[in-house]
Amino acid sequence: EDQVTQSPEALRLQEGESSSLNCSYTVSGLRGLFWYRQDPGKGPEFLFTLYSAGEEKEKERLKATLTKKESFLHITAPKPEDSATYLCAVQADSGYSTLTFGKGTMLLVSP
Amino acid sequence: DTAVSQTPKYLVTQMGNDKSIKCEQNLGHDTMYWYKQDSKKFLKIMFSYNNKELIINETVPNRFSPKSPDKAHLNLHINSLELGDSAVYFCASSPRPSPTGTQYFGPGTRLLVL
Repeated sequence: EDQVTQSPEALRLQEGESSSLNCSYTVSGLRGLFWYRQDPGKGPEFLFTLYSAGEEKEKERLKATLTKKESFLHITAPKPEDSATYLCAVQADSGYSTLTFGKGTMLLVSP
Repeated sequence: DTAVSQTPKYLVTQMGNDKSIKCEQNLGHDTMYWYKQDSKKFLKIMFSYNNKELIINETVPNRFSPKSPDKAHLNLHINSLELGDSAVYFCASSPRPSPTGTQYFGPGTRLLVL
């Protein structure tokens, strides 16, 4: 069974204080690893897809990296508007596979 | 301009009632999904339709019945609602079921069963 574990569950940063969120996964053949951002009361918003170990993607202050066992979401010099829950999901490489999500990391950036 | 929309946004109802949630996407996608996000915040797939055909049906009570009248719509009907059905239900769509799984989510329907 595919599994996704995210850590920490919650993270509080000061504005400008860089950090990383972790997503550990087990999957029977990885088709893709996905990062989403979810604001309170809203649906998840797509950020990145990573397909193979060593791949990196960047968007503004966010950078996602992937190894064979985990992914990191690096947040450089965060701003209060980066506060949200960040969800990681994996898709197995088998037929009509769906996304298996982690519980998320709730990030709070204080000014 | 809303890509994936759901109605209603909030739904409060009594145990035993039957209710429906509607979802529409204007992205031209072939594949649509229903997810449930419980109080522990886990987002779990319930159903997936591709071109109006059911392709994924996870272990969900048969009180839940999805219906896709066309590619742009996927509705969820729930019979005999139970307390444990209280959750946020998200609709999502993607261009195709595979190989890429980039899914675009709606705003969610918050269901509270009393």
